[in-house]
Amino acid sequence: EVQLVESGGGLVQPGRSLRLSCAASGFTFDDYAMHWVRQAPGKGLEWVSGISWNSGSIGYADSVKGRFTISRDNAKNSLYLQMNSLRAEDTALYYCAKKDNAFDIWGQGTMVTVSS
Amino acid sequence: SYVLTQPPSVSVAPGQTARITCGGNNIGSKSVHWYQQKPGQAPVLVVYDDSDRPSGIPERFSGSNSGNTATLTISRVEAGDEADYYCQVWDSSSDRLGVVFGGGTKLTVL
Repeated sequence: EVQLVESGGGLVQPGRSLRLSCAASGFTFDDYAMHWVRQAPGKGLEWVSGISWNSGSIGYADSVKGRFTISRDNAKNSLYLQMNSLRAEDTALYYCAKKDNAFDIWGQGTMVTVSS
Repeated sequence: SYVLTQPPSVSVAPGQTARITCGGNNIGSKSVHWYQQKPGQAPVLVVYDDSDRPSGIPERFSGSNSGNTATLTISRVEAGDEADYYCQVWDSSSDRLGVVFGGGTKLTVL
C-alpha cells in the first residue's frame, strides 16, 4: 500500500524549532519529488516547500524562506522539514505529498501549534 | 507571483451539474490539477493535467482549461461530493519547484 506518514508535530513556543518527518512506503521513493503543504485551521492549502528526487532542486514559499529547510534521505525513504524561528502564523496541519504529474499521494498530516 | 482565483462557494442540487472555476493569467498555457478535501481528511487528487482522472475517480469528475479559466465539472452531483475543492498549478515563474494553490471552493449539495 502506498503510504505517507508524517510525525514530529506538537506545541512549540514562538522562536523555537521543530523537525517534521515523513515516512514513505509502497513506492520507489527516490523516483519522485516530494513536497510539504500546510493548512492553517479553517484556511486553504498553502505550499511550503519541495525537493527533487536527488535533492538537486529545492524550493520554498516566501513565507518560510530562510527559516525552513527541506531535506530527504532516500536510503531511509524519508522526507524532513526543519522549521526554525517559528511564528504563530506557522500554526497549521503539515502534509507531505508525493509529486507525480500532480500531488497524487498525501499523508494525513501532523499538527504544529506555535504558541506561548 | 502567480495567482489563482476561485469562487468561495458553489451550491448545487443533487443530480445537477456543478462547475467550479479557477482563474489565472493565461492559465490555459499551464497544466491544472484539482483536489477534493472533505472535513477532517487529507486532500485527494480528482483531476490532473487539466482533464485526466486518477484511477478510482468517477467519470462524473471532468476538467477543462482554456484562456484565463480552468473548470472542474462534477456531473450528477451526489451528497458525498460535498467538500472543498482546490485548483493547483506549477509556478513556472519561480526558479525552483514553485507551487500555487487556489483559495478553495466549498461545494454545497442542497
